[in-house]
Formats: sequence, C-alpha cells, structure tokens
Amino acid sequence: GNSVTQMEGPVTLSEEAFLTINCTYTATGYPSLFWYVQYPGEGLQLLLKATKADDKGSNKGFEATYRKETTSFHLEKGSVQVSDSAVYFCALSVDDYKLSFGAGTTVTVRA
Amino acid sequence: GAGVSQSPRYKVAKRGQDVALRCDPISGHVSLFWYQQALGQGPEFLTYFQNEAQLDKSGLPSDRFFAERPEGSVSTLKIQRTQQEDSAVYLCASSPRPSGETDTQYFGPGTRLTVL
Repeated sequence: GNSVTQMEGPVTLSEEAFLTINCTYTATGYPSLFWYVQYPGEGLQLLLKATKADDKGSNKGFEATYRKETTSFHLEKGSVQVSDSAVYFCALSVDDYKLSFGAGTTVTVRA
Repeated sequence: GAGVSQSPRYKVAKRGQDVALRCDPISGHVSLFWYQQALGQGPEFLTYFQNEAQLDKSGLPSDRFFAERPEGSVSTLKIQRTQQEDSAVYLCASSPRPSGETDTQYFGPGTRLTVL
C-alpha cells in the first residue's frame, strides 16, 4: 500500500534556526509528493510539491527534493520565523487524486 | 476569493444520532474530496467526486457513512447511527480539474464531530 512516515514532533526551535522535517514514503507506483501546512486556526494549505524524481519544490523559503533512491522528501528551511509555527504534513498521491498523509509534525518557533 | 467552506464547524452528537456535514467547494471546481482526521493523525481519504459522480468511496469506514453531491457542487457527508469512534475532524477539499491531473487540493476548515 501507500504510506508516509514523517518525523515525530513536537519540534521547538529558536528564530533563525535551521529546520528539517524528515519524510519517507512507500508507494505502489510513481507518486507525486507534497508538503501541506496547517497554521493555527486555519485549514490545510499546500506548501510545495514535486511530481518526479530530482524535482525540487520550493515556497516561502521552504524546499524539498524528491529523492527516489532513498524514497524521501525532506522539508528544509534555512532560517525560520515565529510565523512558521504550524503543523506540517507530508503527503503522496499515486493515482493523481487521493492524498495519503503522514501523521504531521508540530513546529513551534520561539522569538 | 471564497475558499472551501464547511458547516457546521462543530457538531456534538449523542451516540446513535444521525449527522449531516456540508461542504461548499470553490465555485467551478470539478473534483471534491472528503477526508477524516483523527486527533493527532493526518487526514485519511474517505471518498472522491468528479462533478456529481462518486468515483471512489473506498475509504468510507462502514455502510453508516454516505456522501452525495447531487448537482456537482455542494456535497453532504452523512453519518448514520454515530459511534464514539466517529469522533474526528471531517475535511472537505476541492480541486479545479478531474482526477488524473496532479492538482492542488484546496481544503476547508473542517467540521469537528464529537460523539458522546
């Protein structure tokens, strides 16, 4: 089956620190990979995506590279801000519609 | 512009009651999805509509769960004879194009269902 495993949280960082959230996947077929973010009090929203191997998705200073050889899609940001405090979900889609999500990682950035 | 809206935002039901959860997708979006998110977990797929056609209902946990989208816009997720294990946040998402095209799904705020 299709599944996503992501780093357990919570993660607490100071402002301007480097953030990495690990994500690995298992898929039957060739998935597209996504990171969704849920800010406090808001709905899930797409942060970035990659649809083929070696693609790099980027948005708002976040980056993730689709690594087929290691079945990974780790999320990184070089200098986090308090406004990056949120829950981050890694997800995949094999059949181009339904998403399979990881359990989510809660990130708190302290000023 | 208007995003995906869901109502009610919160619902408390007694065990055995029926509930109906509504989703208003972004206007013109062809695809509509329902997901269930248990506390501390990621969302899990329930069902998918392309316009009014329910093309995939493989994620519905039991025959107590029923979803419809009769005119290809608003959708309702109905849960009959609610059980405590149905307590979760129910998320609706829509996307502009049919399945088969990798597309962004736009999520609503969810309905938090608590079954006592």
